[in-house]
Amino acid sequence: DADVTQTPRNRITKTGKRIMLECSQTKGHDRMYWYRQDPGLGLQLIYYSFDVKDINKGEISDGYSVSRQAQAKFSLSLESAIPNQTALYFCATSGKPGLAEETQYFGPGTRLLVL
Amino acid sequence: AQSVTQLGSHVSVSEGALVLLRCNYSSSVPPYLFWYVQYPNQGLQLLLKYTSAATLVKGINGFEAEFKKSETSFHLTKPSAHMSDAAEYFCAADFGNEKLTFGTGTRLTIIP
Repeated sequence: DADVTQTPRNRITKTGKRIMLECSQTKGHDRMYWYRQDPGLGLQLIYYSFDVKDINKGEISDGYSVSRQAQAKFSLSLESAIPNQTALYFCATSGKPGLAEETQYFGPGTRLLVL
Repeated sequence: AQSVTQLGSHVSVSEGALVLLRCNYSSSVPPYLFWYVQYPNQGLQLLLKYTSAATLVKGINGFEAEFKKSETSFHLTKPSAHMSDAAEYFCAADFGNEKLTFGTGTRLTIIP
């Protein structure tokens, strides 16, 4: 079984709809991250969380919100989806004490299309 | 500003030839550096990482990278390309805040 899972894997939605992307991990990691990937732009950090009570904005948080329901679960919401949020979304996790000792482990991605 | 630059969005090499993918960083203090690979329809997988121990880092699948502080570079190499190496490769850096800054990626094509 995969250590980092994302649901759904693919989603088509309409402009203005609310959508939630979910991420679960079985690695026991404290740190979780949400990225979006656009062709030619690499990965950009949306939000990150270092523990259940710690939520931080990344480079491109506008239009997104997150919820850390438990150590193992980190959800990303688009309150009112717009077409330029069409992208590939990745969840990642890492453990303490930071990237010198641990790396980030990525989920398989969610491909989102906003019409 | 701290950043990661990958020179060449597309690289093509012949099977059996040397693979060289370039990565440069911009910061006053050397960061931790990573190379990830993304196969089609998959997430990112770590190839190797530099965390200030050894400047020449060996990774999986025969890849290695050398950290050169004087050139602010961390180029990825493999002596002999294989068809299975076709993928997109991302260089990333941790500038000391436990977050990764990614380059824009290099798509590697292997010519039979």
